[in-house]
Amino acid sequence: DIVMTQSPDSLAVSLGERATINCKSSQSVLYSSNNKNYLAWYQQKPGQPPKLLIYWASTRESGVPDRFSGSGSGTDFTLTISSLQAEDVAVYYCQQYFRTPYSFGQGTRLEIK
Amino acid sequence: EVQLVESGGGLVQPGRSLRLSCTGSGFTFGDYAMSWVRQAPGKGLEWVGFIRSKAYGGTTEYAASVKGRFTISRDDSKSIVYLQMNSLKTDDTAVFYCTRSFYYASSGYYNFFDYWGQGTLVTVSS
Repeated sequence: DIVMTQSPDSLAVSLGERATINCKSSQSVLYSSNNKNYLAWYQQKPGQPPKLLIYWASTRESGVPDRFSGSGSGTDFTLTISSLQAEDVAVYYCQQYFRTPYSFGQGTRLEIK
Repeated sequence: EVQLVESGGGLVQPGRSLRLSCTGSGFTFGDYAMSWVRQAPGKGLEWVGFIRSKAYGGTTEYAASVKGRFTISRDDSKSIVYLQMNSLKTDDTAVFYCTRSFYYASSGYYNFFDYWGQGTLVTVSS
């Protein structure tokens, strides 16, 4: 099974500053036949279901603000929020969909400093 | 507008059964693979299982933690996906989310989840 590990577990960033969340997979999630990384990022606010932010490691879902970006390949990935807004307070999860059982990271709680 | 609405959650005793339903609207339900994802209180997300569309055989796959106890099925005529849960354990207590897998008409489905229901709480307790 592929284990997803996020770091840090929690993060406090000042408004307008950059927030960076890391995700590491225990095996590569890069599929060689299409050169795509099977890695997604979600945002979950309190009392709400998760919301898809990023897929294929770096493709922003429609309607997601461009301050959110994803990068990385193989086993190491990053979600970056370029200028933190108050509404970005949430828990963020990475997910691999390379093979079953699909798996999520443990989550990173993002707060305002 | 795409909507997924779960129902059927509640309080159930250990060892008993419960069936969750998820009704989809606003999209061609039969074209999509559908998954269930759960979240124990205060915890992270756990993929439970998924069912392929009929075009891909309508087959299912499950997490090891539920395999043999949980069964996913679908009724495309009603736009419903079901999660039959048997032999429930206290560890199964969670909010269960119904999710839609991403679908490209040209290349099929990929199991990241572009739409989520609001979730239904299942509490397993005596």
